[in-house]
Amino acid sequence: QKEVEQNSGPLSVPEGAIASLNCTYSDRGSQSFFWYRQYSGKSPELIMFIYSNGDKEDGRFTAQLNKASQYVSLLIRDSQPSDSATYLCAVITGGSYIPTFGRGTSLIVHP
Amino acid sequence: SAVISQKPSRDICQRGTSLTIQCQVDSQVTMMFWYRQQPGQSLTLIATANQGSEATYESGFVIDKFPISRPNLTFSTLTVSNMSPEDSSIYLCSVESDSSGYGYTFGSGTRLTVV
Repeated sequence: QKEVEQNSGPLSVPEGAIASLNCTYSDRGSQSFFWYRQYSGKSPELIMFIYSNGDKEDGRFTAQLNKASQYVSLLIRDSQPSDSATYLCAVITGGSYIPTFGRGTSLIVHP
Repeated sequence: SAVISQKPSRDICQRGTSLTIQCQVDSQVTMMFWYRQQPGQSLTLIATANQGSEATYESGFVIDKFPISRPNLTFSTLTVSNMSPEDSSIYLCSVESDSSGYGYTFGSGTRLTVV
């Protein structure tokens, strides 16, 4: 059974700090990895995707993938109160087109 | 990327009744996905809807309870039938963001409360 695990949090960080969100997955055949942001009462919004081992940067966001250790992480630099949301990790295994979602990590950025 | 219009945004329904949720996409898409998100939980895939064929349901979900229509490449409906309070949840439709496979776009969601 494919599993995607995330710490539910909440993760609380001060404004301006780096927030680090982690996700592990069980299926070694996983090939595509996504991070979604979901504000309370809103639908998920794609913020990052990564396919290859290593880091991928987009503005204040950096996704990190380590396939050997089966984890993917999201770093948010210079965290802002507007980053406060639930962050969902999603994984697609090889041969599938449907993502499996983790339960999400609640992030709180306090001024 | 694709834009989805989903309605209703919320509804309060009596147990035993049915509710139909609609999703309209601004471009043609092969597959549409229907998810359920219960409070504090992750997204659970209900079914995949392909145009011109029966929807494919995930384990734990059946057509009699969640009938789906997909009359064309831009539209789909999900019906929640014979509702009970356990069906109270957020229901979301989703499509691939674009043909590159870079993620999925979600509709705005339908918050259903069954009383």
